[in-house]
Amino acid sequence: DGGITQSPKYLFRKEGQNVTLSCEQNLNHDAMYWYRQDPGQGLRLIYYSQIVNDFQKGDIAEGYSVSREKKESFPLTVTSAQKNPTAFYLCASSQGTGYTFGSGTRLTVV
Amino acid sequence: AQSVAQPEDQVNVAEGNPLTVKCTYSVSGNPYLFWYVQYPNRGLQFLLKYITGDNLVKGSYGFEAEFNKSQTSFHLKKPSALVSDSALYFCAVKWEYGNKLVFGAGTILRVKS
Repeated sequence: DGGITQSPKYLFRKEGQNVTLSCEQNLNHDAMYWYRQDPGQGLRLIYYSQIVNDFQKGDIAEGYSVSREKKESFPLTVTSAQKNPTAFYLCASSQGTGYTFGSGTRLTVV
Repeated sequence: AQSVAQPEDQVNVAEGNPLTVKCTYSVSGNPYLFWYVQYPNRGLQFLLKYITGDNLVKGSYGFEAEFNKSQTSFHLKKPSALVSDSALYFCAVKWEYGNKLVFGAGTILRVKS
């Protein structure tokens, strides 16, 4: 079955560490997205990519970085510059008006 | 700029009663509108979308939504609520020429038996 796989499901980060969240899709979608979810704030766009080797900042890109070296993969790095990284992170892909979401990664700072 | 408002943080309804979850939007040009549902610690599941055509859109699990251009609204409805409908519901909008989905803050639906 086609879909989006996010890993890991749970991730713990120490203060000052960088961590990378994985997102892989086998839907052959051109566009991919990273959203952050906090209680009561909905989903906020971090970064998105419409084609390989190209990506744009979303509304809350500070403290995050991405790469899009392959169509199938769009990893998100949460850097030490992100001061409040504890959140639920969702990856999505789209083709036309069809959007598919992964099952999410919950990141906690310890 | 695109924006979505879900004016109710929570909606409570008795099982078997009709339910409505409200959504209003702001976007330049023609809107593409979506509803998603989320269960705890899970991703988003697609319910329905409006692109063009009939203003009443039917979707998964008996849900429907009505696009009202004059009121810039896209309320989610179901004739008879189930306890299993209890979840977090998100409305989203995108501009017809863009890819980015913009989400509302979400509405918690609680259906009591």
